[in-house]
Order: sequence, then structure tokens, then C-alpha cells
Amino acid sequence: DAKTTQPTSMDCAEGRAANLPCNHSTISGNEYVYWYRQIHSQGPQYIIHGLKNNETNEMASLIITEDRKSSTLILPHATLRDTAVYYCIVKGYGGGGNKLTFGTGTQLKVEL
Amino acid sequence: NAGVTQTPKFQVLKTGQSMTLQCAQDMNHNSMYWYRQDPGMGLRLIYYSASEGTTDKGEVPNGYNVSRLNKREFSLRLESAAPSQTSVYFCASRRGHTTDTQYFGPGTRLTVL
Repeated sequence: DAKTTQPTSMDCAEGRAANLPCNHSTISGNEYVYWYRQIHSQGPQYIIHGLKNNETNEMASLIITEDRKSSTLILPHATLRDTAVYYCIVKGYGGGGNKLTFGTGTQLKVEL
Repeated sequence: NAGVTQTPKFQVLKTGQSMTLQCAQDMNHNSMYWYRQDPGMGLRLIYYSASEGTTDKGEVPNGYNVSRLNKREFSLRLESAAPSQTSVYFCASRRGHTTDTQYFGPGTRLTVL
């Protein structure tokens, strides 16, 4: 599975869009980009995933560059409850023993 | 629909004691996983079960055993707890067949003295 690089921390004002970047320059053609978040002391929560096309659901949007070497998770109107560690994971379906490899992620702090 | 549930939520053990962490899911998922998370670190896979009746080791299986009791339940046992096993333990299940999306339980916070 491809390695990912994320900023250690980011701040965002409440109500504004939070844009979280992820670099995955070694991604393979069959590998998906997954985003999870972990609010303090809770279990990780699935947010969204994509392969090539941009994706949107009720929680967020995922923008993947045309060359697929990077992506951005967008929380359109961040709230205090979005303060969490956000993990970008790149994984081929069924590969790597089916495990998800969580790195250290990006600590997003949403402030008033 | 409770999703993934774990018991207990908190546990304190003395070195050498044994215990079993319980996990259950009501989403009819085939695959289940046990991870541990140490302070300030990402999750590490201990064991997983791709389907009922099968189990496989992950990155850090030493000191643990697992049982896939049925499709719903996947337990993790510490036979002789050590202080190095102090951690937060998360169980997860996978929707599978076309996606690797996993759904996590709330965690068990274990302290070994």
C-alpha cells in the first residue's frame, strides 16, 4: 500500500471550509484513497473514499488530482465537533491482509 | 442498529492476570479486526478474521489470542497480561466485497499494572 504524507496539524475557524491535504505520490492504479477521523478517545470514523473521481457525501468532499498523487478532504462548514485527527489511507482492495494502516494523521482544531 | 459494540469499556489488570475483550457487530459483516492504539500513535493490527471460522495474525499478535465465535462476535484474549499491553483496544468490522471500509467500536481502555 502506498505511503501518505499529511501535515501534522491545522487550524480552521468555525463555519469556514476545512481543506485537509494528503500526498500519495506512489499510489498505484488500483489503490483507493480513504479518509477516517478520530475524535478524542473514540474509535476511528469512516468519512469517505474514492478511486479517481471526486466524491461527495453528507460529511465531506474528496478531491483527487488528475494524476492521483494527492488529494484533499473538504469539510464545507467546519464546526467545533469536527475537531479530530484526520487520517488519509491509501489501499488496494483486499491487499495487505485487509488491514488499514493508520499513520499519525492531521490534528484539525476548529476554533470560534 | 448498534454497529460495533465492545465490552468492557475500561479494565485494570495486574501483571499476569488474564482477560477477554468482547466485540460484536450487527451489520452482518464478514470480516472483523482487533487493533491497539498506544498514546500518540496510530492504530496497529493485532489479529483479524476474514470470515467466520478463520483468523490471521496482524502486525503485533504476540501475547494475544482470538476467537471468532460466530459471524457476529470476535473476542481477544490476553492470557498473561503485561504492562506493555496497556493500550486502547479497538474492534472493527468490514463491509467488504467491494470496499475496504471498516467500522470501529468505541474501544476498551486497558491498564496493566
